[in-house]
Amino acid sequence: ETGVTQTPRHLVMGMTNKKSLKCEQHLGHNAMYWYKQSAKKPLELMFVYNFKEQTENNSVPSRFSPECPNSSHLFLHLHTLQPEDSALYLCASSQDLSAGIFNYGYTFGSGTRLTVV
Amino acid sequence: DQQVKQNSPSLSVQEGRISILNCDYTNSMFDYFLWYKKYPAEGPTFLISISSIKDKNEDGRFTVFLNKSAKHLSLHIVPSQPGDSAVYFCAAKITGGTSYGKLTFGQGTILTVHP
Repeated sequence: ETGVTQTPRHLVMGMTNKKSLKCEQHLGHNAMYWYKQSAKKPLELMFVYNFKEQTENNSVPSRFSPECPNSSHLFLHLHTLQPEDSALYLCASSQDLSAGIFNYGYTFGSGTRLTVV
Repeated sequence: DQQVKQNSPSLSVQEGRISILNCDYTNSMFDYFLWYKKYPAEGPTFLISISSIKDKNEDGRFTVFLNKSAKHLSLHIVPSQPGDSAVYFCAAKITGGTSYGKLTFGQGTILTVHP
């Protein structure tokens, strides 16, 4: 357990379904991220939240809708997805977005393996 | 445009030998680099990092080398152990300006260490 918990671990959904992915951290971090990992591709940054405010939307389609009600929780709401959206969705957190050289990066959750059928 | 590239999708080495994982980047603004390790069904975990003011950082069996002129970094694992078998991601960041905090990842290299 890394301190970042993602649920569910696996999700199979139809293209007309609506579902949500949940991420929770109790590390006292203030920045949270959603990443997508498709097969043989780099981790792709989707969204960044800093102190509950969205600071980056990396040209993500509107069928993905993030929500950050507080610094400990992050959701990714899914609706009318496509089969090509099947991937591992990873949540991460960091102390904040500050750029000190002693920032060792992110703490990742274990991910949600999403399959769209 | 992929700014961080790991051109070897996989690497196989014998236990006890050296594993060398390579990473190239194109953005000269990157000034901090990290390696993450990922086991199946788990999220990536931080392994080792290096600032652009250094050319080498060592932590136990793991050493990262940075060649800024070539925009190349490498991770050396000596000696390699079967438990090192995992996917290794190279990541880079710009520690100033509006891109602060944002990590850009490579596509990963699958390392297999045979007993």
